[in-house]
Amino acid sequence: ETGVTQSPTHLIKTRGQQVTLRCSSQSGHNTVSWYQQALGQGPQFIFQYYREEENGRGNFPPRFSGLQFPNYSSELNVNALELDDSALYLCASSLGSTGAHSGNTIYFGEGSWLTVV
Amino acid sequence: KQEVTQIPAALSVPEGENLVLNCSFTDSAIYNLQWFRQDPGKGLTSLLLIQSSQREQTSGRLNASLDKSSGRSTLYIAASQPGDSATYLCAVRKDYGGSQGNLIFGKGTKLSVKP
Repeated sequence: ETGVTQSPTHLIKTRGQQVTLRCSSQSGHNTVSWYQQALGQGPQFIFQYYREEENGRGNFPPRFSGLQFPNYSSELNVNALELDDSALYLCASSLGSTGAHSGNTIYFGEGSWLTVV
Repeated sequence: KQEVTQIPAALSVPEGENLVLNCSFTDSAIYNLQWFRQDPGKGLTSLLLIQSSQREQTSGRLNASLDKSSGRSTLYIAASQPGDSATYLCAVRKDYGGSQGNLIFGKGTKLSVKP
């Protein structure tokens, strides 16, 4: 039990539709990041939020967007879904800081399985 | 560009064996390295975190070492049990010299421990 909860756990969407995935971070964690994990692959970094602002982004197109709320929960939105977007989407939280090193452990949720048909 | 490689991709051992999983990375400018466990269809569970200034970390039957200069880490599992069966992922965190970077993962080693 990591204290990071994600919803929904599974969903099926049609190509071209939009999806919103949600994440509740561990209590007190101000940094949330999202990863995409295709079958048989390691997770790939999508983006990270620190205190409601995006402060890092991986090699994903703009149709992948996110939000972080004042309570540090987060959303991942994907527009114009493509078949290749089918994957496990993982949310991770940690206690972070900018301008100073923070070596804290990152905790992952159970993920949201997205299937695009 | 940082790349993380894990060898072997899959490993099957009888119960009770000691085993070593390997992780290598191409850029030694890392902030830390973390080992995770992933059960089928599940999220990631953190096992051990090694800061770049450290050489090893231990938790129960698990021991992880880090040789930053050679770009290598190993995860040693003692007296393996069927419950250890899972995919083990290694991830490095980039060092931006003042702020945190994201995690870069290997593809994992799928471990099967036979009773």
